[in-house]
Amino acid sequence: DGGITQSPKYLFRKEGQNVTLSCEQNLNHDAMYWYRQDPGQGLRLIYYSQIVNDFQKGDIAEGYSVSREKKESFPLTVTSAQKNPTAFYLCASSILGYTGELFFGEGSRLTVL
Amino acid sequence: QKEVEQNSGPLSVPEGAIASLNCTYSDRGSQSFFWYRQYSGKSPELIMFIYSNGDKEDGRFTAQLNKASQYVSLLIRDSQPSDSATYLCAFPKGGYQKVTFGIGTKLQVIP
Repeated sequence: DGGITQSPKYLFRKEGQNVTLSCEQNLNHDAMYWYRQDPGQGLRLIYYSQIVNDFQKGDIAEGYSVSREKKESFPLTVTSAQKNPTAFYLCASSILGYTGELFFGEGSRLTVL
Repeated sequence: QKEVEQNSGPLSVPEGAIASLNCTYSDRGSQSFFWYRQYSGKSPELIMFIYSNGDKEDGRFTAQLNKASQYVSLLIRDSQPSDSATYLCAFPKGGYQKVTFGIGTKLQVIP
């Protein structure tokens, strides 16, 4: 079955540590996105990519980094520079040109201890 | 002015009633609108999209778009307890390269 796989589902991190969240899709979608969700704030865009080896900052990119070396993969690194990283992170993909029709992974819940 | 505004709720309706969820947006250039449903602790899933003024029906769901007044609505007929979730409106921006979401309206259907 086609879909988006995010791992890990739950992650605990100490302050000052970088963590990388994995996102893999087998939908053959060109576009991929990372969103962050906090209670009462909806989804906020961190980074997005429309083609391999190219990506753009979203609305809240500070303290995050991404790479897009393969079409299927779009990992997100939460660096120690991110001041409030505890959140629910969602990876999504879409067909190029059908931006509003997003397919989401199950999400990764990051807690900083 | 926020790009998109939704009442966070909760909106409580009795089982079998019509639930009406609303969203207003500020960008008059927006052309298409999307409704996502998100169950607690889960990821969002697309349930409806609408591009033209007027109504679009899909089963118990009807999306309504009024571009002149800059609002989009989602009606859920014969509401069921399984419809209890947060409903997010969304629309593309930035040259159609990214999607902006509202904060979502939490719907509670009371048996």
